[in-house]
Amino acid sequence: AQSVTQLDSQVPVFEEAPVELRCNYSSSVSVYLFWYVQYPNQGLQLLLKYLSGSTLVKGINGFEAEFNKSQTSFHLRKPSVHISDTAEYFCAVSEDTGRRALTFGSGTRLQVQP
Amino acid sequence: NAGVTQTPKFRILKIGQSMTLQCTQDMNHNYMYWYRQDPGMGLKLIYYSVGAGITDKGEVPNGYNVSRSTTEDFPLRLELAAPSQTSVYFCASLDKASQPQHFGDGTRLSIL
Repeated sequence: AQSVTQLDSQVPVFEEAPVELRCNYSSSVSVYLFWYVQYPNQGLQLLLKYLSGSTLVKGINGFEAEFNKSQTSFHLRKPSVHISDTAEYFCAVSEDTGRRALTFGSGTRLQVQP
Repeated sequence: NAGVTQTPKFRILKIGQSMTLQCTQDMNHNYMYWYRQDPGMGLKLIYYSVGAGITDKGEVPNGYNVSRSTTEDFPLRLELAAPSQTSVYFCASLDKASQPQHFGDGTRLSIL
């Protein structure tokens, strides 16, 4: 079984400041890692994914994440946030075999203040 | 190329009614999934399918049924709607050889 923990339920930050959203996971097998963003009353949009290779992954909208296998973490970062980044962010993992379903964290609400 | 299409987008049901949430994909993906998202929470897996004729339970299957008679379609059935099933339902598909999953836009279901 796998699980995902997002350590912060809410992260308030001022516009143009850097931000880090934390994600830790557990799994007994190899996994793929993902970050999704969800704007109010909308569906899920993929920000970035880690499948293999370089542990630093760049995504859309200036976001990046670093896979740390020893710490089983996949933290999301952005050097300078905008008001438009206000949304809910979900970390998710998928095993690379079997049913390949996603296991999601409970989400982090990023609130960017002017 | 439409991707994953879910219908309806919104629905209000009375307790005890039944309905089917439709999901279809045009990418010839073998894997399909149904998730539900409760307010303020992440998505949880209801049912999944690895191919036509093959389905299995996820973490929260109680009160739901699925079928997979074709590669394209993966409907989710609620037989006796209960208030606890008020949620947003997402369907997704996956090509075995490629990530990530492709999500539909969701169905917002309220049971009163």
